[in-house]
Amino acid sequence: QLAVTQSPSASASLGASVTLTCTLSSGHSSYGIAWHQHQPEKGPRFLMKVNSDGSHKKGDGIPDRFSGSRSGAECYLTISSLQSEDEADYYCQTWGTAIQVFGGGTKLTVL
Amino acid sequence: QVQLVQSGAEVKKPGASVRVSCEASGFTLIGYSIHWVRQAPGQGLEWMGWINVAKDSTKYSQTFQGRVTFTRDTSANTAYMELTSLRSEDTAIYYCARRSFEDFYFDFWGQGTLVAVSS
Repeated sequence: QLAVTQSPSASASLGASVTLTCTLSSGHSSYGIAWHQHQPEKGPRFLMKVNSDGSHKKGDGIPDRFSGSRSGAECYLTISSLQSEDEADYYCQTWGTAIQVFGGGTKLTVL
Repeated sequence: QVQLVQSGAEVKKPGASVRVSCEASGFTLIGYSIHWVRQAPGQGLEWMGWINVAKDSTKYSQTFQGRVTFTRDTSANTAYMELTSLRSEDTAIYYCARRSFEDFYFDFWGQGTLVAVSS
């Protein structure tokens, strides 16, 4: 069954870097994924799509501080030079035949 | 610029129905599919299904099959989600999202509509 798994929480200091992980379920390692940022009291914001070959396409206006990569079923979102406004929930999305699947989200705390 | 603007918060009693609208600006809805996603308090994102605006065809998550209906009004550039037989567990923020033209991810989201179900 198609699924994506995320760690529930992460933290890093202001100005530092952090890498969030999204893991695709067994048998689905070649699926594309997308990352979304969800700040409190706002609608989610599309950050980027990451293809099976690791290439990625960002959403409009997403800073260079946000980058994506992957190694097989493991997909990564790296945020560098952390700012206070990066404190948010980050969701991984994947898709299959007539279905969309979200990970449980990672709550990022900026210390 | 591309925006999805949703209708305001709703308070409903158990057993009632609710309709949420999602008006597109900066693009024409007919070229896209619109998906609906909800987030219950303290929970993650839950996909509900989608409407292909051009074909007026729909696909619903099994979780909501039979209780949810997606429609659209192309002249108003607006999509709608109606959920019936509301129960307290349906209390959530409901989001519409545009599926990208080139692939299956969501590239723009609405601001969300709070639906509270309480007696």
